[in-house]
Amino acid sequence: AQKVTQAQTEISVVEKEDVTLDCVYETRDTTYYLFWYKQPPSGELVFLIRRNSFDEQNEISGRYSWNFQKSTSSFNFTITASQVVDSAVYFCALSEVNTGGFKTIFGAGTRLFVKA
Amino acid sequence: EAGVTQFPSHSVIEKGQTVTLRCDPISGHDNLYWYRRVMGKEIKFLLHFVKESKQDESGMPNNRFLAERTGGTYSTLKVQPAELEDSGVYFCASSQYRGSGANVLTFGAGSRLTVL
Repeated sequence: AQKVTQAQTEISVVEKEDVTLDCVYETRDTTYYLFWYKQPPSGELVFLIRRNSFDEQNEISGRYSWNFQKSTSSFNFTITASQVVDSAVYFCALSEVNTGGFKTIFGAGTRLFVKA
Repeated sequence: EAGVTQFPSHSVIEKGQTVTLRCDPISGHDNLYWYRRVMGKEIKFLLHFVKESKQDESGMPNNRFLAERTGGTYSTLKVQPAELEDSGVYFCASSQYRGSGANVLTFGAGSRLTVL
């Protein structure tokens, strides 16, 4: 069965600290996609990144970086030099291909507080 | 381009009453999804439309929930009669039917339902 686990419920850091959000997933499929979404106070989830199961290269986008490791079924997200604007709930998600298209499941989210 | 719009943003009803939530997806997005998040837990899949057809409704909790997407444009999710455990935030998301964006979801801000 597919499952996404975000063990960290809340994380609190001081501005400029680095912070890593953990994500562990379970799937029986060999083809799947992993995502991170950000939910700011406005409420809507905002897409951050998508990786497919065949691409284990780490990715960096500005202060954001993602570490995908199939050996440990993890897709962790690091924010370098955190800022107050990074305060939000972050969701990790897994999408598999099925006969009807894609079905995406989400973890419980990690709430990040960045204090000035 | 307008995003995904959900209405109402917040609804407070008494147990036994009926509520109808509406979602207007991005124009041209054939995929429409309903999700629900209850009290800080994971965002749970409810169902998936492709145009006006229900592709997957495996996540619908019970027959008190009815989703429709007449004409393949906006969708409604009706809860009748509402129970206390139905409280939560109901998210709608849409995506392209095919192509590289098919599993990248654009979310609305959610409809918060409180059942007293």
